Amino acid sequence: QKEVEQDPGPLSVPEGAIVSLNCTYSNSAFQYFMWYRQYSRKGPELLMYTYSSGNKEDGRFTAQVDKSSKYISLFIRDSQPSDSATYLCAMSEVDRGYSTLTFGKGTMLLVSP
Amino acid sequence: NAGVTQTPKFRILKIGQSMTLQCTQDMNHNYMYWYRQDPGMGLKLIYYSVGAGITDKGEVPNGYNVSRSTTEDFPLRLELAAPSQTSVYFCASSYRPLADTEAFFGQGTRLTVV
Repeated sequence: QKEVEQDPGPLSVPEGAIVSLNCTYSNSAFQYFMWYRQYSRKGPELLMYTYSSGNKEDGRFTAQVDKSSKYISLFIRDSQPSDSATYLCAMSEVDRGYSTLTFGKGTMLLVSP
Repeated sequence: NAGVTQTPKFRILKIGQSMTLQCTQDMNHNYMYWYRQDPGMGLKLIYYSVGAGITDKGEVPNGYNVSRSTTEDFPLRLELAAPSQTSVYFCASSYRPLADTEAFFGQGTRLTVV
């Protein structure tokens, strides 16, 4: 079983829809959870960051972590064509004073006008 | 503020050739990383560095080498290129360990080995 599972999509929605993107993971040591957004032929950019379980909201975006189920979600409200990108979940544990990120494969989102 | 700059943006190599992918950052970050991104496979860590003179292997280091002589630069060396190294390579940097801080990525280098 891979450490982080993420449906690659593509996920196609009309403008204004609510989008739900999800990842599951197997490593219970992960404590930090992030969502990166990657536009075509660009490097990833950090979108949201959460620690431990719970919700975090930033404008139209809400990140949700359920550590008991090893499941994280990103919700996008009132989706816009400019949200069309690949969304990568990433997770981290602190090990020996430093850490690296384990990424999901990414979900491609297409928002049509 | 340039952030993380990678050169070249594109490169075609023949099997067995060598090359160096350049990465420089102007944010005075101690932590730097090299990832490769294959289609449908996500980002895999090749090497990372926690400061000048200190490097360590990531998940997929075979066929690559790195050095970190300055805070700003973190070049990735490919020796004896193989078709399996065809990928998009991203350099990244961060102010602190990646657990609770943002990684800043470069624009990527698209490498094809034929």
